Parts: sequence; structure tokens; C-alpha cells
Amino acid sequence: SAVISQKPSRDICQRGTSLTIQCQVDSQVTMMFWYRQQPGQSLTLIATANQGSEATYESGFVIDKFPISRPNLTFSTLTVSNMSPEDSSIYLCSVADTKRNTIYFGEGSWLTVV
Amino acid sequence: AQKVTQAQTEISVVEKEDVTLDCVYETRDTTYYLFWYKQPPSGELVFLIRRNSFDEQNEISGRYSWNFQKSTSSFNFTITASQVVDSAVYFCALMGAGNMLTFGGGTRLMVKP
Repeated sequence: SAVISQKPSRDICQRGTSLTIQCQVDSQVTMMFWYRQQPGQSLTLIATANQGSEATYESGFVIDKFPISRPNLTFSTLTVSNMSPEDSSIYLCSVADTKRNTIYFGEGSWLTVV
Repeated sequence: AQKVTQAQTEISVVEKEDVTLDCVYETRDTTYYLFWYKQPPSGELVFLIRRNSFDEQNEISGRYSWNFQKSTSSFNFTITASQVVDSAVYFCALMGAGNMLTFGGGTRLMVKP
């Protein structure tokens, strides 16, 4: 299975600031995804990030708030912009292993906005 | 549209009891995949199993077993002889076309010593 590393693992942020989360994969993958998990809730897909194209955002998520970069097949970043306490969540990066039709997740980044 | 329902939001058992976590799904896709993930308190999502829509064989892995019944659109997960380390939130998820997962609401399992 793919090994997925996320940074930071945890952070406490001031409202109004922005934070960039990094996701590094140990193998080349075509499809990467970013999910948000608000406290006590399930996971919600923010966007799909494919290398060489603009990210595709799900309903309720916009590029100005969650800009995503995908510069190569092993790396992606998600920025949470102009944060408010409602953005306090776990943000998870995931990749599709298309040979095994399986989705693997990183360890998650716990953000608390104060 | 796809939907995954985990009706049990929280289950509490005593160690060594067997416990079954229910999962019911809806999809119009003829080819799809079902998953179970475990999320311990540390937050990471641990992959447990994937099942494709054409394979209804039940699977056993140690103390874990899964029962996939297409006729009832269910993919239930049983832990035999539960242990305290099994305490976590368990998510059932569905993947159709596009490799995007639709998650259920999760079931919090608490195993007491």
C-alpha cells in the first residue's frame, strides 16, 4: 500500500490566518483527494487533485477558501484560507491505488482555530 | 446519488463479546466497491477491507469478518472476542465511478475491560 505523509500533524491557528497542509506519497499516483472531518462527524470530500489539471471541488467548497496545488505525481498541498473556528477539523489526504481499486489515507492534520 | 448508512452511532460492549457493525448502502452503479476503515483516537484512517460488487464471498481475517449481501445492500462487519484495542470509530464507505468515496456516518465502538 502507498505510504502517505502529511504535515503538519497538528496545529493551532489564529482566526484570519491561512495554513498550508502538505501531502507526500511514496509512489506516483494519478488521483489524490482531500477530505475534511469536522469534530464528531464523518468525512466529506473537499476536492479531487489530479496532476496537470485544476482541482475539482465538491459542492460547498470553493477554490478561494481551499486552494490546492498538485505540482507532481507524489505531492499535493491544501491551503485553508482566512480561517475561522468553523474550520477546526481533521484534514485528510488520500490517494487512489487504481490497480487495487483501493483508497489509502494519510495520518491527517488536526487544525484548531482559535 | 450514492448513500451509506450506519444506523448505529455508538456501541458499547464488554471485552470478549462479539459485536456486529451494520452498513447499508445505495447506489445506481453496477460496479462499485465497499470499504471499512478504522479510525482510532489518534485520527488516522486505517484501511481494513475492500469488496467489489461482484464478489459476495464473506471474508474472515483473524477476529474480523465481513458479510456482504447484495440482495439487501448490506456490508456488515463483525468483531469476534472484542478487545479494548478495538475501541475506535469505524466507517463504511462506497466507491463508484471516479474513485471518490462516500462515507457513512461512522459507528463509535467502545470496548470496556
